[in-house]
Amino acid sequence: RKEVEQDPGPFNVPEGATVAFNCTYSNSASQSFFWYRQDCRKEPKLLMSVYSSGNEDGRFTAQLNRASQYISLLIRDSKLSDSATYLCVVNSGTYKYIFGTGTRLKVLA
Amino acid sequence: EAGVAQSPRYKIIEKRQSVAFWCNPISGHATLYWYQQILGQGPKLLIQFQNNGVVDDSQLPKDRFSAERLKGVDSTLKIQPAKLEDSAVYLCASSLPDGALGTDTQYFGPGTRLTVL
Repeated sequence: RKEVEQDPGPFNVPEGATVAFNCTYSNSASQSFFWYRQDCRKEPKLLMSVYSSGNEDGRFTAQLNRASQYISLLIRDSKLSDSATYLCVVNSGTYKYIFGTGTRLKVLA
Repeated sequence: EAGVAQSPRYKIIEKRQSVAFWCNPISGHATLYWYQQILGQGPKLLIQFQNNGVVDDSQLPKDRFSAERLKGVDSTLKIQPAKLEDSAVYLCASSLPDGALGTDTQYFGPGTRLTVL
């Protein structure tokens, strides 16, 4: 089992739709979790960090389920500009970060 | 605040040649990371420095890759000799952290895109 797993997608959704991605992790001792956004040929940029049960920032909500060892990212009212790859990152201890392979999202007009 | 700087942005070399990448982290960030990102995959950690000491280099192919962080600030990553499979984007990232919540966020540089022919 991979340490961090994501569905690679692509998820093709119409503008205005709500879309959710899940990310599972194997290390139950993991302390902190992140969602990064990566545009084509660009570096990853922090979208949200999650330290407790969840976090919300505008149209974006991240939730952590420690019992089932997954985090989710929910995007409401999708915009064309949300099209990107979303990387799940887990801090498995001693500031060691494990990245998922990313989930590709394409928002269609 | 200036971000993480990397150079060069692009590099094309022949296999068996050598190449070096440079990274300047965000001022005050103690931890520096080098990642390799192959097309279609997530970044893979190559080496992690805490100040000028190596914390984790378990995934660094030490027969051909080397990295240093002299004086605990700038860092260089070298590949010698390069292979075709080294074609990737090499990302540098830095983070504080100082133990306080939220200080473990990583910030990435623009990356160096390496093509080995």
